[in-house]
Amino acid sequence: DSGVTQTPKHLITATGQRVTLRCSPRSGDLSVYWYQQSLDQGLQFLIQYYNGEERAKGNILERFSAQQFPDLHSELNLSSLELGDSALYFCASSVGVGSNYGYTFGSGTRLTVV
Amino acid sequence: GENVGLHLPTLSVQEGDNSIINCAYSNSASDYFIWYKQESGKGPQFIIDIRSNMDKRQGQRVTVLLNKTVKHLSLQIAATQPGDSAVYFCAENSGGYQKVTFGTGTKLQVIP
Repeated sequence: DSGVTQTPKHLITATGQRVTLRCSPRSGDLSVYWYQQSLDQGLQFLIQYYNGEERAKGNILERFSAQQFPDLHSELNLSSLELGDSALYFCASSVGVGSNYGYTFGSGTRLTVV
Repeated sequence: GENVGLHLPTLSVQEGDNSIINCAYSNSASDYFIWYKQESGKGPQFIIDIRSNMDKRQGQRVTVLLNKTVKHLSLQIAATQPGDSAVYFCAENSGGYQKVTFGTGTKLQVIP
């Protein structure tokens, strides 16, 4: 157990629907990052939050949004889902911002859009 | 722009042999590099890191080498074991907000 908790582990939904993925960071970590990993692809950075504020944005679609709550858990909202959104979505956390430390990853949510 | 890539998508090695996984990066401003291991169905797991003021760092059975002149990073695994079979990602940190960029990954297959 890495200390980063992601729910649900698996999600199957239809095109056009909306889903919410949840992440609880490791205790003491203030930064949360979301990554998308498609089949046979690398990890694509989506967005980062630090202590409730958005800090960096990557290749995140306008149909996707995220937020970090006061208790530091984060949610990634995916709407108007398309078949191509099927992927593994990983959350990672780290201690802070501006210093160089590795991330701790959760075990991911596998999203299947049918 | 940022670009992290790997030379070989798949590497097959005999159990007991040493493995070398290579990675190229293009952002000369990157000052921190990490190797991650991702087993099937799991999230990436931190293996070893290295800062740009070093050219070599050793862990347990793993060594990371950094050549800033040619922007090259490598991961050496000694006495490769079946449990080392996984996809290995190199990553670079070039952002003040700890935005880490991952390469596409190399799949390591260990032949018993």
